[in-house]
Amino acid sequence: EDKVVQSPLSLVVHEGDTVTLNCSYEVTNFRSLLWYKQEKKAPTFLFMLTSSGIEKKSGRLSSILDKKELFSILNITATQTGDSAIYLCADNAGNMLTFGGGTRLMVKP
Amino acid sequence: NAGVTQTPKFQVLKTGQSMTLQCAQDMNHNSMYWYRQDPGMGLRLIYYSASEGTTDKGEVPNGYNVSRLNKREFSLRLESAAPSQTSVYFCASIRDRGYYGYTFGSGTRLTVV
Repeated sequence: EDKVVQSPLSLVVHEGDTVTLNCSYEVTNFRSLLWYKQEKKAPTFLFMLTSSGIEKKSGRLSSILDKKELFSILNITATQTGDSAIYLCADNAGNMLTFGGGTRLMVKP
Repeated sequence: NAGVTQTPKFQVLKTGQSMTLQCAQDMNHNSMYWYRQDPGMGLRLIYYSASEGTTDKGEVPNGYNVSRLNKREFSLRLESAAPSQTSVYFCASIRDRGYYGYTFGSGTRLTVV
């Protein structure tokens, strides 16, 4: 059974801080690792990672995958209050996505 | 706007009542999914449909049934609601079972009392 574990469960930082969110996975038929941001409603897609060691970047957010050690990290630099959300990672093993439990990030002014 | 549409957005049921959650997508996606999200649990897959005419169980299918009515629509039915089914339900679709991220509906918040 596929397993995705995220850490920490929750995090409180102040604006301007840099945060690193972790995602480890155990899957039998790995295709890709995805990151989502969830505010009040549905998750919105951030990144999809398929190749090890290649960083994906979008503004202040970046993510990288290590297929040998089976983990991914999501970095957010110069955090803003608008970054407050639940961040979900999921592995795509073919038929479906298996999600981790999420990291709840709160950014204080 | 193109996307995944879920109805209703909110629902309160009494234990033992039945209801159907509706989901429709207009992106010509092949695969559709139903997830539930409980606090601290991430999203857990209930059922999915890889293509029109097929459905398969996910991680937590007990107490639910689904129908892939056509390529656009995928409904989730609770035949006899239980308090343990209180959750937020998300429908999602994807073009194919490949490398692309899901498109999610806006969710249905269901409370069973």
